[in-house]
Amino acid sequence: GDSVTQMEGPVTLSEEACLTINCTYTATGYPSLFWYVQYPGEGLQLLLKATKADDKGSNKGFEATYRKETTSFHLEKGSVQVSDSAVYFCALSGSSNTGKLIFGQGTTLQVKP
Amino acid sequence: NAGVMQNPRHLVRRRGQEARLRCSPMKGHSHVYWYRQLPEEGLKFMVYLQKENIIDESGMPKERFSAEFPKEGPSILRIQQVVRGDSAAYFCASSSGTGYDEQYFGPGTRLTVT
Repeated sequence: GDSVTQMEGPVTLSEEACLTINCTYTATGYPSLFWYVQYPGEGLQLLLKATKADDKGSNKGFEATYRKETTSFHLEKGSVQVSDSAVYFCALSGSSNTGKLIFGQGTTLQVKP
Repeated sequence: NAGVMQNPRHLVRRRGQEARLRCSPMKGHSHVYWYRQLPEEGLKFMVYLQKENIIDESGMPKERFSAEFPKEGPSILRIQQVVRGDSAAYFCASSSGTGYDEQYFGPGTRLTVT
């Protein structure tokens, strides 16, 4: 079945460092891909998405490119801030066409001043 | 424009009691999804409903769990005879359609079974 694998955390960075969180997926067909962010005690917020191969999603300095050949959707940011500290989830909209999301296990990011 | 509302935010139940979790979707949204987040894990899909219909319940445990989304009122996730393993955060999401449409998440209900 469809699945998402993320790099394990926690990831600890200093402010202004570069960020990459790896995400790979397995799916039949052509899923949509998403990154969600969860701040402590809150629900998930959509950070960015891509709906077809080679699309690049971007928001708030974060970006990710839908790579069909490597089945990847890595999250990147050139310069992280303390306020970026959160849990990041990679997800895909599976092949069932009901829209249900399949999530990776989440990666905790800690940014230190 | 209010977002997705969930209540209660925190719920404590003793083993064997019933838990009822409520979700009011965003205005204009008729699609509701429920997900469960166990400690230190990602979210797992449970059930997808449209008004008065269960479309996909492939992620729901076969026993003790049920969900509804009536014509009027919020969607309800009901867990009967709760056990400690039901302790988790339960998130509801709504969308205006399926497929590529964005799902908007509520703040979640954190269920603790003692």
